[in-house]
Amino acid sequence: DIHMTQSPSSVSASVGDRVTITCRASQNTAGWLAWYQQRPGKALKLLIYAGSSLQDGVPSRFSGSGSGTDFTLTISSLQPEDFATYYCQQANKFGNTFGGGTKVEMK
Amino acid sequence: QVQLVQSGAEVKKPGASVKVSCKVSGDTLSELSMHWVRQAPGKGLEWMAGFDPENGEIVYAQKFHGRVTMTEDTSTDTSFMELSSLRSEDTAVYYCATVMASLAWGGFYFDDWGQGTLVTVSS
Repeated sequence: DIHMTQSPSSVSASVGDRVTITCRASQNTAGWLAWYQQRPGKALKLLIYAGSSLQDGVPSRFSGSGSGTDFTLTISSLQPEDFATYYCQQANKFGNTFGGGTKVEMK
Repeated sequence: QVQLVQSGAEVKKPGASVKVSCKVSGDTLSELSMHWVRQAPGKGLEWMAGFDPENGEIVYAQKFHGRVTMTEDTSTDTSFMELSSLRSEDTAVYYCATVMASLAWGGFYFDDWGQGTLVTVSS
């Protein structure tokens, strides 16, 4: 299985800050990479798929970039509803795996 | 808008089995590719099993192969996940989730999720 490593495991930020989360895969994902948001009491939400494609209805302050083994999720201007935990996923159908998560906390 | 509503929390003893359900509304199960993902307390997400629309088969994560069984009742649009030989490490929230159909030929992006079902394994 491809192992996914996210960093940092947590980040403290304020409303309006730019936040960047990275995800590194142990092998080439061929671009099959997604990002999810998990808020307490809410269903998990797909934000980004195929490395950089924004899911319908997701605000444009979220963006994804990267290729191969290294990917980044950026929140351009953090909003109150963005305090949550974020997970990357390598979505290859032959063994999809998730990163350990990054918790975005209020500074 | 697809909605996935899961069955309620369960408490089981080690060695027992648990069966969690996920009812679909807003679409029909036969049009969807349903999967199951779990999350142990304070831990990350772990894919367990799901329907591969490319070959029409249910595929399982190697870690769970032999202990997990996924079934579907298309007459009630309900998916089921049964996990057997439960141990304490299986204590987790179990989620059903549907795969984005347009890219299911190559990968599993989960675009709709159930609310989760807590399964506690304790003697």
